[in-house]
Amino acid sequence: DVKVTQSSRYLVKRTGEKVFLECVQDMDHENMFWYRQDPGLGLRLIYFSYDVKMKEKGDIPEGYSVSREKKERFSLILESASTNQTSMYLCASSLLGAGQGFYGYTFGSGTRLTVV
Amino acid sequence: DQQVKQNSPSLSVQEGRISILNCDYTNSMFDYFLWYKKYPAEGPTFLISISSIKDKNEDGRFTVFLNKSAKHLSLHIVPSQPGDSAVYFCAASDDGGTSYGKLTFGQGTILTVHP
Repeated sequence: DVKVTQSSRYLVKRTGEKVFLECVQDMDHENMFWYRQDPGLGLRLIYFSYDVKMKEKGDIPEGYSVSREKKERFSLILESASTNQTSMYLCASSLLGAGQGFYGYTFGSGTRLTVV
Repeated sequence: DQQVKQNSPSLSVQEGRISILNCDYTNSMFDYFLWYKKYPAEGPTFLISISSIKDKNEDGRFTVFLNKSAKHLSLHIVPSQPGDSAVYFCAASDDGGTSYGKLTFGQGTILTVHP
């Protein structure tokens, strides 16, 4: 069974801390994504990556950075955590873009981050 | 600017009846649409999709309808079951070979199916 694994289910961090959220997929997918989910706002794209060391900004990249040193691993970094970054963070991967045999995303279970 | 909108935050239906979840979009470049289902404390899971060249796609109890002229799609669940109670997200892609399958999601609709 294919999997996207997020390293932590729950995290509590202090304001100003540097926070790393890790995501690993075992499907050899090219594309990986980081979303955050907030009530009333749905899922919003933070960053995505279409290849090792390649990254693109999503709709809300401010305050975040990413790293993809290996194909299977995509990390989200909160440079200096703030309370407005308290959210559910979801990692996803996909095989190809739509129109090229797109089969949708496989999501991880999510990391609930609380910044205090 | 919310390009994909689900205007109903919640929907409540009786077991056995039809559930209809709606989604509107504004970007005419979207050419592929998907529905995801999410249970609490789990990631969303893919449910059903439709290409813009079609107006209907069916998979068991789930049917998605697409009205391109109205920029509207809907998900029908017949018959609804208590296990269908979840948050449903509509998503759209405007991939033309360059967007790497980037999806834009709606706000989600909480479906509750009562026994």
